[in-house]
This record gives sequence, C-alpha cells and structure tokens, in this order.
Amino acid sequence: DAEITQSPRHKITETGRQVTLACHQTWNHNNMFWYRQDLGHGLRLIHYSYGVQDTNKGEVSDGYSVSRSNTEDLPLTLESAASSQTSVYFCASSESSTGELFFGEGSRLTVL
Amino acid sequence: DQQVKQNSPSLSVQEGRISILNCDYTNSMFDYFLWYKKYPAEGPTFLISISSIKDKNEDGRFTVFLNKSAKHLSLHIVPSQPGDSAVYFCAAQDDKIIFGKGTRLHILP
Repeated sequence: DAEITQSPRHKITETGRQVTLACHQTWNHNNMFWYRQDLGHGLRLIHYSYGVQDTNKGEVSDGYSVSRSNTEDLPLTLESAASSQTSVYFCASSESSTGELFFGEGSRLTVL
Repeated sequence: DQQVKQNSPSLSVQEGRISILNCDYTNSMFDYFLWYKKYPAEGPTFLISISSIKDKNEDGRFTVFLNKSAKHLSLHIVPSQPGDSAVYFCAAQDDKIIFGKGTRLHILP
C-alpha cells in the first residue's frame, strides 16, 4: 500500500544544532507540505512544494528550509535549532487540487 | 492574523446527540473547505470537504454547511458516537491549505 512516512519519530537535540526531519511518500503525489502542531496554535504551515524543484514559504517558515530533488521526498531542515522549535511536525502530501491531504504520523522534536 | 478561526477549544456532547463544530474564515478567495479529525499520537485524517460553490455536503453521519455571506462553516455529526471523540480541525484552501486551531470533541456516555 502507498504511504507517507516520517523519520525520526522522536528526536531530542540541543540548541544550535542542525536537524533534518525526513518525509517520504510512495503515492507519487506532486504536492507536499510540512506543518507544526503546538498547543493553542493548531496546525501551522511551514513550507510546501508543488513539484520537483518547487518550494514555497508558509505561515511560520523562519528558521526552516526544505528542498525537493525528487517527487517522493521533502526533508525539513532546521539550520540552528531553537527551543521555540520544540513541537510535533507533520508531513503531508496530496495529488488533487481539492485539499485532501494525507498525513504522516508525526515527528516529535525536543530542543534543549 | 488568523485566517481560519475555531473559537471553541472544546465541546462535550452526549452520545447519540448532534455535535456541531463551528469555523469562521476571513479570506473570501478560499475555494475549498475541509474538516480533519485527529486522534492522539496520530496524523490528522481527512473527514469531509465542501467546495465554495456549494452550501452543503453530506457523507453518512457527517454534514458540512457553508454560509459564504457570513464566512462561516459548520460540521454536524449525528448521531455522535464514542469514537468521534477527537480533535477536529477546520481547513481552507486557496493556493495553500490553512488550518484552524482545532476543537476537542468529547462524546459523553
């Protein structure tokens, strides 16, 4: 079955370290998204991509970057992790233009 | 400023009764509206959607109503069941998909 997987599922890191969260989907979807979920804020869009070599900033993109070198993967990089980036991160993908997203199970990141 | 607002952080409903979750939006350019359901430690899952050219969409126990003049949509669940206890996110799409903060629904036995 096609799926979307995130790794690692849990990560603890220190302030100032570079961290990369992986997202891999096997649906061959063109559209991929990264969200973070925080108490009191719901799901906020970090970055998104509508195809290979395409990347766009979302609502809370500062401190994050993405690259899209193939259809299946959209890794999220925190160049210099900050405590404010402690969160649960969700990757999602979609094919249609009607917004139906398929989410991964999430990556819980703690920055100490 | 929030473009998609869910003003009720939580809602408790008796099993078998109707659950009504509300959502307001500010951007008249949104062309699709969606509801997602989320259980703890899982990713959100798509529930139901509605195009901006419609005012109602129904799927089994779930119905979404859209009032464009009021920039308001609602999700009705009837009858409510214990498995409906979850966080519900309202979302809206223009060139990207923006979510509200979510409403935690508790179905009481």
